[in-house]
Amino acid sequence: AQSVAQPEDQVNVAEGNPLTVKCTYSVSGNPYLFWYVQYPNRGLQFLLKYITGDNLVKGSYGFEAEFNKSQTSFHLKKPSALVSDSALYFCAVRKAQAGTALIFGKGTTLSVSS
Amino acid sequence: NAGVTQTPKFRILKIGQSMTLQCTQDMNHNYMYWYRQDPGMGLKLIYYSVGAGITDKGEVPNGYNVSRSTTEDFPLRLELAAPSQTSVYFCASTKASGNTGELFFGEGSRLTVL
Repeated sequence: AQSVAQPEDQVNVAEGNPLTVKCTYSVSGNPYLFWYVQYPNRGLQFLLKYITGDNLVKGSYGFEAEFNKSQTSFHLKKPSALVSDSALYFCAVRKAQAGTALIFGKGTTLSVSS
Repeated sequence: NAGVTQTPKFRILKIGQSMTLQCTQDMNHNYMYWYRQDPGMGLKLIYYSVGAGITDKGEVPNGYNVSRSTTEDFPLRLELAAPSQTSVYFCASTKASGNTGELFFGEGSRLTVL
């Protein structure tokens, strides 16, 4: 069965500092991995995805994520955090097989202080 | 394009009542999904559909029903509402090809069962 773990309920960083939001996954076969962001009272918005190729993927708003197959991780990173990055972040995984659905982690709240 | 549209945005039900959450998308996406979001629990998949006339259960289908008579619409039916169904419901859609596409989410429907 597929699963996603986000070990931190909340991450606090100061504006201008680098941030990391952690994600590990479990899936049989090759995974498709995604990060989404949710602002208050809104739907989820796509940030970036890993399908194949370069392990470092870049996405919206300056975010990037590194796929590590040996550690089954897909951590979200940003070199310099902004207060406006404060939101709820979800990691998600899908099997590389047509017809399968996306499974989400429980989410990590990112709080960036000025 | 309006994207994914959900109605209603808010609803209060009494125990035992029934209702339908509407979802429509104008992107000609074959795949559509219903998730529920509960605090600290992430998103749980209720039902999904890979095309008109085809639906399948997700992780938490009990107490819900769906239909997919057209590509655009994917309504979620709650029969005999229970307090455990108090949640925020999100509809999402994606292209079918390659199963690599990101999900597009609606703004959510907040349901309270009293």
